[in-house]
Amino acid sequence: DAGVIQSPRHEVTEMGQEVTLRCKPISGHNSLFWYRQTMMRGLELLIYFNNNVPIDDSGMPEDRFSAKMPNASFSTLKIQPSEPRDSAVYFCASRSPPGQGLYGYTFGSGTRLTVV
Amino acid sequence: EDQVTQSPEALRLQEGESSSLNCSYTVSGLRGLFWYRQDPGKGPEFLFTLYSAGEEKEKERLKATLTKKESFLHITAPKPEDSATYLCAAHPGSSNTGKLIFGQGTTLQVKP
Repeated sequence: DAGVIQSPRHEVTEMGQEVTLRCKPISGHNSLFWYRQTMMRGLELLIYFNNNVPIDDSGMPEDRFSAKMPNASFSTLKIQPSEPRDSAVYFCASRSPPGQGLYGYTFGSGTRLTVV
Repeated sequence: EDQVTQSPEALRLQEGESSSLNCSYTVSGLRGLFWYRQDPGKGPEFLFTLYSAGEEKEKERLKATLTKKESFLHITAPKPEDSATYLCAAHPGSSNTGKLIFGQGTTLQVKP
């Protein structure tokens, strides 16, 4: 099992540009989460999908952020336009269906985003 | 408001010097308390899940315990390779979405 795969690992972009982060969850996992990690705020949940449907997007900072999950094996997080305060590490995590144990998520290696 | 607080923020130990990390939580109806390890430049790695007060789980030099208000991660005779940031997270009973509330983490440094 390759685990949760995120791309790119690092992204440097100029303010105002569009940024797209990608995630491939573990096969068979039906829940997918996007988190953002900063020194100041720690790990914050941005959005949660269950069976490809967005369930809770209350953590999305503002309309500049959008996320999609067109199928069970792929999700994107888009920022348009990007701003320097969006600089952070963005993690994707997936989890297996209920009944298979309420154990922790499996996280990807993250995308380090720098907006200059 | 659901909240998770970890202490200390940072901990320096000599190799072999045992200690404990604290995770205090205030959540509505805890469904699970999770511990993760995070190495620099990597995503959090799952360690343990605890479900009810009194439960304990062990893995090598680590033992996690749970009470009604807090969890401890005990590190026995640590080695330099145990150096990492340890995160705890709570799954509130009010959440049917699987949303975890994370603490800020404790950064552990073990010197040889």
